[in-house]
Amino acid sequence: AQSVTQLDSQVPVFEEAPVELRCNYSSSVSVYLFWYVQYPNQGLQLLLKYLSGSTLVKGINGFEAEFNKSQTSFHLRKPSVHISDTAEYFCAVSQSYNTDKLIFGTGTRLQVFP
Amino acid sequence: DGGITQSPKYLFRKEGQNVTLSCEQNLNHDAMYWYRQDPGQGLRLIYYSQIVNDFQKGDIAEGYSVSREKKESFPLTVTSAQKNPTAFYLCASSIRGSNQPQHFGDGTRLSIL
Repeated sequence: AQSVTQLDSQVPVFEEAPVELRCNYSSSVSVYLFWYVQYPNQGLQLLLKYLSGSTLVKGINGFEAEFNKSQTSFHLRKPSVHISDTAEYFCAVSQSYNTDKLIFGTGTRLQVFP
Repeated sequence: DGGITQSPKYLFRKEGQNVTLSCEQNLNHDAMYWYRQDPGQGLRLIYYSQIVNDFQKGDIAEGYSVSREKKESFPLTVTSAQKNPTAFYLCASSIRGSNQPQHFGDGTRLSIL
């Protein structure tokens, strides 16, 4: 069965510092990978997705993620965070042959301090 | 402006009552989903529908029911059989296909009085 693990439930960081939010997945077949962001009391917004091709994917708001098949990871990075990046971040995976279902990780709370 | 509308934003339920959460989309998406979100548990799939007049149970369907009579609408009923209904409920939609991202509404927060 598929699963997604977000290793850090909370990540505190100072403004303008770099950040990495970790995501590992398990699957016996090819997968598609997504990162979403959720601001308080709102729905989820797509940050970026990996479907195929280049393993480095760029998304909105200056975020990027790298797909590493051998390590089954899809870590999210930003070189310099802003206060406005404070939010919950979710990694999600879907199988390339299965239904349209997404499996979500438990989320990482990014807290940016001034 | 295309998007997903969930209503109401806040909902209160008395013990033993059924309540229905609304989800409407004007994105012309075939697939729609309902998730439950609890602190520290991420999103768990309740029901999903890939086409009108058809839907499937997700991982936590007990105590919930849905209908899909129109492409644009996918209401969720939280029945009295759901023993712990207090949560944040999110509706999403997508083009069919496992490589398609899901688009989310802003959620409904349900609380028990």
